Amino acid sequence: QVQLQESGPGLVKPSQTLSLTCSVSGGSINSGGYCWSWIRQHPEKGLEWIGYISDSGSTDYNPALKGRVSISVDTSTNRFSLRLTSMTAADTALYYCAREKDYAGNEIDTWGQGTLVIVSS
Amino acid sequence: DIRLTQSPSSLSASVGDSVTITCRASQSIRSYLNWYQQKPGKAPKPLMFGASSLQRGVPSRFSGSASGTDFTLTISSLQPEDFATYFCQQSYSSPRTFGQGTKVDIK
Repeated sequence: QVQLQESGPGLVKPSQTLSLTCSVSGGSINSGGYCWSWIRQHPEKGLEWIGYISDSGSTDYNPALKGRVSISVDTSTNRFSLRLTSMTAADTALYYCAREKDYAGNEIDTWGQGTLVIVSS
Repeated sequence: DIRLTQSPSSLSASVGDSVTITCRASQSIRSYLNWYQQKPGKAPKPLMFGASSLQRGVPSRFSGSASGTDFTLTISSLQPEDFATYFCQQSYSSPRTFGQGTKVDIK
């Protein structure tokens, strides 16, 4: 059973770039048929999809993030990463990595446990 | 973006009650509607996909249905472990979007 684990800094200063990594265990990240996603949840609020990278390397991002986001995969380490530039207090959230099926219902079938990122000077 | 509107935003119920949560999409999403359960301090747990298909291991008291752009999640006999927040999500188009959540708590 595939498991996901986020890692990265818990505190980021305004205007800096956030870098988070998701480690995939229990399966290969290039096994095919999945998109590797990032989703965030603002405190006491709903879920916001950030974007994903497919197993072919194509990416799709939420336009609401206005070009600040990039997602990449490192198959040699079985990890994928999120980079979010120009961080502001509005980016304070719990960040989840997740796996979305690239077939059938395209649903998310696996979530990481989440990592809290606070933007503050 | 496709907007998903859940109702109610919260409800109180007792163990054994049947509860229904509705998710309305702003446009057609066919059956690309998924449901997740989230408990405090935990990641969302996949419950249902394709509007009415249960994820593996999810009890049969959970069911889903669709009528046009209206989707429902029904819990037929609420159990103590079902008190949580439920989110719908559309996977029909990009960007993926979520409903705002429905919190089910104990009456």
